[in-house]
Amino acid sequence: SQKIEQNSEALNIQEGKTATLTCNYTNYSPAYLQWYRQDPGRGPVFLLLIRENEKEKRKERLKVTFDTTLKQSLFHITASQPADSATYLCAPGGAYGNNRLAFGKGNQVVVIP
Amino acid sequence: DAGITQSPRHKVTETGTPVTLRCHQTENHRYMYWYRQDPGHGLRLIHYSYGVKDTDKGEVSDGYSVSRSKTEDFLLTLESATSSQTSVYFCAISGGAADTQYFGPGTRLTVL
Repeated sequence: SQKIEQNSEALNIQEGKTATLTCNYTNYSPAYLQWYRQDPGRGPVFLLLIRENEKEKRKERLKVTFDTTLKQSLFHITASQPADSATYLCAPGGAYGNNRLAFGKGNQVVVIP
Repeated sequence: DAGITQSPRHKVTETGTPVTLRCHQTENHRYMYWYRQDPGHGLRLIHYSYGVKDTDKGEVSDGYSVSRSKTEDFLLTLESATSSQTSVYFCAISGGAADTQYFGPGTRLTVL
């Protein structure tokens, strides 16, 4: 069955540094991959979408890469700020022609001032 | 925030009772989803809808049913609630295939 893996340990990072999160997937061939941010007690909020024919996508201080050979996506937050502290969810989708997303368990980021 | 509301926001019920959660959108989006989120499992799809009266099962659909009689409303029903259905339930909407999903604020359900 398909499996999506994100690091279960929180990433503690100093303000101003780059945070890098990893999303690995197996038994799965997504056509695209989305990243969401979730704050405690709130619903996820969409951040970025990258398609299988794109290597990299950027939005402000965020950067996402998608390597279909490695079956991996990397999510970077550059010049991190305390306001970036949240849980980040990886969500591959579009496999088998449908638009259903499968969510990873999320990776918590804590930015230390 | 996208125009999505969920009701109730919190509910405590007893095992064996029926429960209905409501998701209401004002965005006229075609797709609507119900997820549950539990520690250690992340978000899991329960059911989704791709149009009025058109629904399909997700990965954890057992014990749940849904209905969509209007574009704006998607109901999730637990016919006979069990303690294993204690969870936070999120509704989401999207405009089409590969579109981003917009999530509601969630409903925290406790089944005693």
